[in-house]
Amino acid sequence: GENVEQHPSTLSVQEGDSAVIKCTYSDSASNYFPWYKQELGKRPQLIIDIRSNVGEKKDQRIAVTLNKTAKHFSLHITETQPEDSAVYFCAASFLGHYGGATNKLIFGTGTLLAVQP
Amino acid sequence: DTAVSQTPKYLVTQMGNDKSIKCEQNLGHDTMYWYKQDSKKFLKIMFSYNNKELIINETVPNRFSPKSPDKAHLNLHINSLELGDSAVYFCASSRMTDGEQFFGPGTRLTVL
Repeated sequence: GENVEQHPSTLSVQEGDSAVIKCTYSDSASNYFPWYKQELGKRPQLIIDIRSNVGEKKDQRIAVTLNKTAKHFSLHITETQPEDSAVYFCAASFLGHYGGATNKLIFGTGTLLAVQP
Repeated sequence: DTAVSQTPKYLVTQMGNDKSIKCEQNLGHDTMYWYKQDSKKFLKIMFSYNNKELIINETVPNRFSPKSPDKAHLNLHINSLELGDSAVYFCASSRMTDGEQFFGPGTRLTVL
């Protein structure tokens, strides 16, 4: 069945360092890969996403890379700040009008990122 | 302006009771979802409706019944609540062809 593995489960970095979170997906039909940030007691919120026709996307301090052949995608946060501390979820889905697409997000198990000041 | 709202925010109830959670979105989206987040923070899709039609129905006990009276509303009714139903339930919405799903604030359900 569909599965998304995410590593590490916890990550502690010093303020200003970089953080990398990695995910692997199983369903080769997946074509959309979002990353969500969830602060304690809050709702998940999209921070960046990438579609399968793109290998890399960047938005200020965050970037996502996708390797379709290996079915890997990663989140990179540079110059981390204490406010980056949260749980980060990767996800994969099959997006589109046709072919049974449902936009069903399969989430990874989450990474608790702690940025130490 | 609240984009996706849920009521109630907290729900504490006894085993065996029946309860409902309501969700509304004012984003003009055509697709709505219910997710369950357990105590380990795992987020799992339960149901999805597109234009009031059920399109995702994961392996969820039939004690859970979603209802979508119109595109802007999706409710979740749970019969005969069990201890294992304790979790945070998130509603979300999106356009079917847009990836981004907007989540509601969540409903923390505690079954005693």
